Amino acid sequence: NAGVTQTPKFQVLKTGQSMTLQCAQDMNHNSMYWYRQDPGMGLRLIYYSASEGTTDKGEVPNGYNVSRLNKREFSLRLESAAPSQTSVYFCASSEAWAGGTDTQYFGPGTRLTVL
Amino acid sequence: GQSLEQPSEVTAVEGAIVQINCTYQTSGFYGLSWYQQHDGGAPTFLSYNGLDGLEETGRFSSFLSRSDSYGYLLLQELQMKDSASYFCAAQGRVDTGRRALTFGSGTRLQVQP
Repeated sequence: NAGVTQTPKFQVLKTGQSMTLQCAQDMNHNSMYWYRQDPGMGLRLIYYSASEGTTDKGEVPNGYNVSRLNKREFSLRLESAAPSQTSVYFCASSEAWAGGTDTQYFGPGTRLTVL
Repeated sequence: GQSLEQPSEVTAVEGAIVQINCTYQTSGFYGLSWYQQHDGGAPTFLSYNGLDGLEETGRFSSFLSRSDSYGYLLLQELQMKDSASYFCAAQGRVDTGRRALTFGSGTRLQVQP
C-alpha cells in the first residue's frame, strides 16, 4: 500500500503560469482533501471532496479549482499562479464520518514556489 | 467560524512530561484530534477525543472537556524523536453544512538532552 501519493514533490512557477497538482490514494477512502501550509502555520483547508462526485470549498479556495476524477484521484489546479500561493500543499484522505473519528492520512506534500 | 489556540513553542528535557493545551471555538463541534509533524514531513494522526475524558495510546494521552472547549495532549517519557510540531484539529461543521477539520497553528516541541 502506497497510501497517499502526490506529484510533483517540488515545483517552481512564474506568476501567471498554471499547473495541476495530482493526488491519489489506494485505501479506498471516500473523502479527500487539499490543504496548504505556510511557514510556521497550521494547515488550511482549500477544497475537499466528501465522496466521489462532490466537491466543496474550504477556508481558502480563491485561486484554486479541484477535480475529483474518480474515487482514487483528487487534483488541485492553479489557473494563474500568484506569489501568495507559494506554500506546501498537502493532500489527505479519510474514511466516511461513520464511527465518529475521522483519521486523515496525508501525502508527502508538494513544495510550490511562485516567482 | 472556527478557531483554535495553542502555544507556539514548548521546550522540555528527555524523560520529562509535557502538556500541550488547545482551546477551540467551533460550530457544530464533534471532536478534537491531534497530529504530529516532523520538519519537512507530513502530518500523522496521533489521537482523537469524541467524548469528555482521557484517551491513552502508549506514551501519549489526550484529554477533552467539551464544557470548557478545551483539550490537551500529554507526552510522557519524552524522547529526542518527539521533537516535532503538534497540531490540534477540531471536527466541526463548515459553511457548506458538511464536516471538516480545522487545524490550530501548531506547537513546536523541542526536546533537549
